[in-house]
Amino acid sequence: EPEVTQTPSHQVTQMGQEVILRCVPISNHLYFYWYRQILGQKVEFLVSFYNNEISEKSEIFDDQFSVERPDGSNFTLKIRSTKLEDSAMYFCASSGMRQYGYTFGSGTRLTVV
Amino acid sequence: TQLLEQSPQFLSIQEGENLTVYCNSSSVFSSLQWYRQEPGEGPVLLVTVVTGGEVKKLKRLTFQFGDARKDSSLHITAAQPGDTGLYLCAGVRYTGNQFYFGTGTSLTVIP
Repeated sequence: EPEVTQTPSHQVTQMGQEVILRCVPISNHLYFYWYRQILGQKVEFLVSFYNNEISEKSEIFDDQFSVERPDGSNFTLKIRSTKLEDSAMYFCASSGMRQYGYTFGSGTRLTVV
Repeated sequence: TQLLEQSPQFLSIQEGENLTVYCNSSSVFSSLQWYRQEPGEGPVLLVTVVTGGEVKKLKRLTFQFGDARKDSSLHITAAQPGDTGLYLCAGVRYTGNQFYFGTGTSLTVIP
């Protein structure tokens, strides 16, 4: 069964530092996403990426955030100058055809201290 | 604004009982998915429904997409402790790529 792989599984960072969360989507998928889930809260959309560019982003995805697909296999989320409220599980997902649902990675638990 | 509302929010039942979880919206979706999420893990896709009125069965789970494509239900027959988890519906509209997640239903099945 193809998987979406996320690294690291857990990252602790100091407030104000930059973090890069990494994802390897399923190889023949075309749509890539980042979502986050603050502990005990709902899954929130951050950004979708298609054809090497951002196709849609939420109001959460401000200038602090950026995404890249640097080498055709990895898909990264960079958070600049992290804040305490950025602490959450960050999930990467990919989809072959957008109507048919995602495959999610296991997430990166980001803790900002 | 929450596009997809799920009910109930929490559900605790005895093993062997039946249950239904609802996912409702005022918006129309081109497709709707159900996921189950366990603590510390990502959501796992259970099913996708794409046709209004569609019913899909996955062992003891029955999923229905409303005729108007605005709502869906998940029915579990003879619940087992292994069914415990957070159930999420998610829909994609005809425009855009974003999946909108529901508020979630936390199910606990007591042995």
